[in-house]
Amino acid sequence: DVKVTQSSRYLVKRTGEKVFLECVQDMDHENMFWYRQDPGLGLRLIYFSYDVKMKEKGDIPEGYSVSREKKERFSLILESASTNQTSMYLCASKQGGSYQPQHFGDGTRLSIL
Amino acid sequence: TQLLEQSPQFLSIQEGENLTVYCNSSSVFSSLQWYRQEPGEGPVLLVTVVTGGEVKKLKRLTFQFGDARKDSSLHITAAQPGDTGLYLCRGIAGNQFYFGTGTSLTVIP
Repeated sequence: DVKVTQSSRYLVKRTGEKVFLECVQDMDHENMFWYRQDPGLGLRLIYFSYDVKMKEKGDIPEGYSVSREKKERFSLILESASTNQTSMYLCASKQGGSYQPQHFGDGTRLSIL
Repeated sequence: TQLLEQSPQFLSIQEGENLTVYCNSSSVFSSLQWYRQEPGEGPVLLVTVVTGGEVKKLKRLTFQFGDARKDSSLHITAAQPGDTGLYLCRGIAGNQFYFGTGTSLTVIP
């Protein structure tokens, strides 16, 4: 089974802090994704990556950056956290091919105070 | 604007009842997936439908892709408490994909 592991289930940070969310997958998937999930808005794509050192902006990249130095690890960075970034963050990975499913981690619930 | 609208947004029913969840769009998709997300976990793929008009069954769950490949439905027969969760559709069009707004289902024992 594919395992996507997010480093923290719950995280509380303060406004202005630099926040790192880590995601690791163990199935050698090329593609990795970061979403945020908010009630009534569904899953919104922040950034994704098709390969090491490659990144593409999703629908809501503002205020975020990402890093993919190794194939198995995809990090989401909040450069200067703000209260409107309080949310559930989900990482996913998938093999290449449109029909392949995305495999999700269990999420990180981030609160910015 | 949301490309994929799901309805209803919330649904609370008694065990044993039937229900249908809808995923609608004005765009055409090459395929559509349904995921279920249980509390405290990430979404998990249930099914992928590819052909217009296609119907797939997964035990008590029946999935249908619209003839024009713009919409899909999920029907659950005799709902069980274990069906409780957030149901998400995901439409795929070439290299683009979009998640729906989600339907939160609660099945009361």
